[in-house]
Amino acid sequence: DAGVIQSPRHEVTEMGQEVTLRCKPISGHNSLFWYRQTMMRGLELLIYFNNNVPIDDSGMPEDRFSAKMPNASFSTLKIQPSEPRDSAVYFCASSSPVDEQFFGPGTRLTVL
Amino acid sequence: SQQGEEDPQALSIQEGENATMNCSYKTSINNLQWYRQNSGRGLVHLILIRSNEREKHSGRLRVTLDTSKKSSSLLITASRAADTASYFCATDKGGSEKLVFGKGTKLTVNP
Repeated sequence: DAGVIQSPRHEVTEMGQEVTLRCKPISGHNSLFWYRQTMMRGLELLIYFNNNVPIDDSGMPEDRFSAKMPNASFSTLKIQPSEPRDSAVYFCASSSPVDEQFFGPGTRLTVL
Repeated sequence: SQQGEEDPQALSIQEGENATMNCSYKTSINNLQWYRQNSGRGLVHLILIRSNEREKHSGRLRVTLDTSKKSSSLLITASRAADTASYFCATDKGGSEKLVFGKGTKLTVNP
């Protein structure tokens, strides 16, 4: 298995633009997690899905952030409109029930 | 918040020495996990210890858990330069898949 796949790996955009981050979890895993990592706040859970259903989105910072999981093999995290304070590394992770999480390589987002 | 907090924030040792990192948390857990992150990469799972376990080994890693003190330690024996990375503890919330990560310990092993 190729592991968790994220795209793009790097994204540079201007303030106000829409940003879409993509994730393909490991086949067979039924839980998917979106994290954001910054120097100031560390690693924060934004939202997680179980069997494609959002379970906990309490970490989503505000309405500008939205996430979807239309099927078991694909998820998106969208920021619209983006702001400079959204600059961070965004990780996607997947797991089997209550097991270790497997992280993707991350998307480094820079909002100018 | 039951966020795990690692101690120390940074640790620098010589190759061959042992490295010990500590984690404290605030509320009851089902399990505690340790992850490693190399610079610019995603996190990699190292070891999981359940609340009814006190000690667990995996290769050069030794993890202890003291639920009465709400603390855990990660020991890396005979460290290597390749062990240079940040190490995070993560705690669950009794039965939930949601993990809360600490800020991490940045370990530097000098050759």
